[in-house]
Formats: sequence, C-alpha cells, structure tokens
Amino acid sequence: DTGVSQNPRHKITKRGQNVTFRCDPISEHNRLYWYRQTLGQGPEFLTYFQNEAQLEKSRLLSDRFSAERPKGSFSTLEIQRTEQGDSAMYLCASSFGPAGPTAFFGQGTRLTVV
Amino acid sequence: GENVEQHPSTLSVQEGDSAVIKCTYSDSASNYFPWYKQELGKRPQLIIDIRSNVGEKKDQRIAVTLNKTAKHFSLHITETQPEDSAVYFCASALSQFYFGTGTSLTVIP
Repeated sequence: DTGVSQNPRHKITKRGQNVTFRCDPISEHNRLYWYRQTLGQGPEFLTYFQNEAQLEKSRLLSDRFSAERPKGSFSTLEIQRTEQGDSAMYLCASSFGPAGPTAFFGQGTRLTVV
Repeated sequence: GENVEQHPSTLSVQEGDSAVIKCTYSDSASNYFPWYKQELGKRPQLIIDIRSNVGEKKDQRIAVTLNKTAKHFSLHITETQPEDSAVYFCASALSQFYFGTGTSLTVIP
C-alpha cells in the first residue's frame, strides 16, 4: 500500500496517560497535515508541516498536543495527559506542494480515553 | 480563520434522482475546493476538486460549480446509486484545508 499510513489504528488509554501516533505520508509528498474528527463532524485542522517545518498550528490546539516531523518524512502526534475530550479519530493527510494538489488521507487512529 | 458552512446536513434521494450539496466559505483568498466522500469507518476519499480560476468541473455523474463572487460552491451528483450513500465533505483551502460539517447522503433503492 503506497498511500498514507497511520499507526496504530486504534488506541485505548486511561485518562492522564500520554499517547503518540505515527503518520507515514506518500513518499514524494512534502506537506503533511493532522486533523481531528469527532462523530458527525468534519475534520478539524490541528497542524501542518512543509518538509520538517511546522508552518501552522491551530489556535484551538491545547499545549498538551505536540507534533514533529524530524526528517521531513514521517510525523508523530503526541498528546500528553489525555482527557476524555481527546477521544476522536486523528487523521493524517499529505500532499505535494501547497493546498491545491490533492491531499490524501490515511485511515486514521481512533483514540478512546477511558 | 476560514469558516466553511455546508448544507444540508442530511439528504435522502430516490435512486436515479439528483443530489445537490452546497457550501459557502468566508476567506476570499481561498483558491482550491475539494470534495471528499467518507464511508462509515473509512478515510475521506477525494471525489472531485475545483480551483478558483474555474467555474465548473464535471467527472461522469459528479460535477462541482464555484461562484467566487458569492463565495459558494456546490456538488451535484446525477443518476444517484445506492453506493453513493456516504457522508460528503466540502473543503476550502489556501495553505491548508478547512472542512464543512458534512452531508449524510442516503440513496433509497
């Protein structure tokens, strides 16, 4: 599968624990986006990278969230001290160039905080 | 930031009829407008997109129209089939994508 890959697919964690998700974009794509989606809602922008540079971060994003893309390839999204409200589907997408060329989504990581 | 509104939230049509979903956006600088289809438990899949220098684009049974002056764009699906049943999201983009809240389309056989 040469598409966007996300791991794990599902994660159940206890409130207060830290979790980390990984996204492997399509290899030639230099832009990588993270979104969060809750039931019945559209994807909500979290942050995006161009190569290894994090260019924008949502103002709604708590300081408990951090993302990295150290070598401009895969990216990780970490949530510290998880809360029940963090339960959602976390989607990663990648594109080549700025928004305009198609963004392809991964299958997402479903986080459940209990 | 950008605000994208999408209507209706739910839509039921008889098989063979047409379906229309409408979106408005707020940032006049947005220049790219993709539409995604998401089936239950699956990733959003791009079905059609349009750039701001184009007014209309068609791909078989799917078409998208864009009115830059009014800042709205629409998805048109003709000759609907049961497999078109899904949630559809519009998005507007400049540097990154802002999504509408989705339309749950049900095609009744």
